[in-house]
Amino acid sequence: EVQLVQSGAEVKKPGESLKISCKASGYSFSNYWIAWVRQMPGKGLEWMGIIYPGDSDIIYSPSFQGQVTISADKSISTAYLQWSSLKASDTAMYYCARRSGSYPHYYGIEVWGPGTTVTVSS
Amino acid sequence: DIVMTQSPLSLPVTPGEPASISCRSSQSLLDSNGYNYLDWYLQKPGQSPQLLIFLGSNRASGVPDRFSGIGSGTDFTLKISRVEAGDVGVYYCMQSLQTPTTFGPGTKVDLK
Repeated sequence: EVQLVQSGAEVKKPGESLKISCKASGYSFSNYWIAWVRQMPGKGLEWMGIIYPGDSDIIYSPSFQGQVTISADKSISTAYLQWSSLKASDTAMYYCARRSGSYPHYYGIEVWGPGTTVTVSS
Repeated sequence: DIVMTQSPLSLPVTPGEPASISCRSSQSLLDSNGYNYLDWYLQKPGQSPQLLIFLGSNRASGVPDRFSGIGSGTDFTLKISRVEAGDVGVYYCMQSLQTPTTFGPGTKVDLK
């Protein structure tokens, strides 16, 4: 079964660093793009960026470039999203999700993780 | 960035009745390969989003044929032929033609 398992909820203070994870199983991790999507409380979905674990090609949304770092370790089939200095406005649910297909073939964002809740509060 | 808009933003529905949601993009999503890079997702209450439709009109695996996607270019519609109680949630359209990928604001569907 194809699955994305995300790390548990985090409660942090402003200025702290954080790295959350997304472990893939049931498929060849290197061959599919993994995206990160933010959902602030009561709000819609925002695309943060995407990584191809096979060669660590990363594309950031301009809104998140420089604010977060996306990475992956294909040896353990895990993608990461990290912050060096959290702000209260980073409080949100963060989803990792697998995109199927590469241009021109595309089959949507088929598999989503359960999400990791990040709360940043003093 | 390509801006996605949806209407309505709130849609009360009656089980058994049809429903439709409109999505418009600020630029054409029709690629030179003939495909429209427009998806539809449903986020049920308390759950992760799930893929319904990709490339404008292709149902994802396991999605009932009550759901259909039509449209091309900048205008798209998600149709539900007969709404069921389990269809409630927020529906999002999303374009993946250009970086950054962008979502619509969402349409909240609930029962009348």
